[in-house]
Amino acid sequence: NAGVTQTPKFQVLKTGQSMTLQCAQDMNHEYMSWYRQDPGMGLRLIHYSVGAGITDQGEVPNGYNVSRSTTEDFPLRLLSAAPSQTSVYFCASSRDREETQYFGPGTRLLVL
Amino acid sequence: AQSVTQLDSQVPVFEEAPVELRCNYSSSVSVYLFWYVQYPNQGLQLLLKYLSGSTLVKGINGFEAEFNKSQTSFHLRKPSVHISDTAEYFCAVGGTGFQKLVFGTGTRLLVSP
Repeated sequence: NAGVTQTPKFQVLKTGQSMTLQCAQDMNHEYMSWYRQDPGMGLRLIHYSVGAGITDQGEVPNGYNVSRSTTEDFPLRLLSAAPSQTSVYFCASSRDREETQYFGPGTRLLVL
Repeated sequence: AQSVTQLDSQVPVFEEAPVELRCNYSSSVSVYLFWYVQYPNQGLQLLLKYLSGSTLVKGINGFEAEFNKSQTSFHLRKPSVHISDTAEYFCAVGGTGFQKLVFGTGTRLLVSP
């Protein structure tokens, strides 16, 4: 069991560039989420999914898109990167809403 | 709406001393409460959780927390800390909608010899 995996680990982008952060889990979890972590602000929910084909917005969705075509994968797309999107991004999954969320190792993104 | 307040951004403590990390929440519905730990340059991992039942919850690495509904608190405690407990600790509340966990801003625990 690899758990939750995220790629890349580090990324540097220029303002206006687009990219996709990858997230995959092999635990057959229905629930998956994307968070961003910024100093002094804890983790904030960007988007989440309760199953393949179903996604919804979290607290800070602007500038990000998601899709969930399979149970395993939940990619996060930055459409046009901005310096305000410099952050550490975590993907998480869980079996259902009461259960433990398992977090990936994170992607550190710097937008210049 | 739900919210979580972690009252201390940083807690310095000596090794083998007891520690309490404070967490208060607000919610208009029944809640689930969690404590997660983040070691440097790693993702978060669950320490313990309260879903229902006994208000005293025991977790990994000797940590425990007590759910106090009247005071809307879920403070984390450990009777004797180790250097290896140095990390950032996040309190989180859930209970409305799907997987909509709300995290506190975190408390950095600094254990020195």
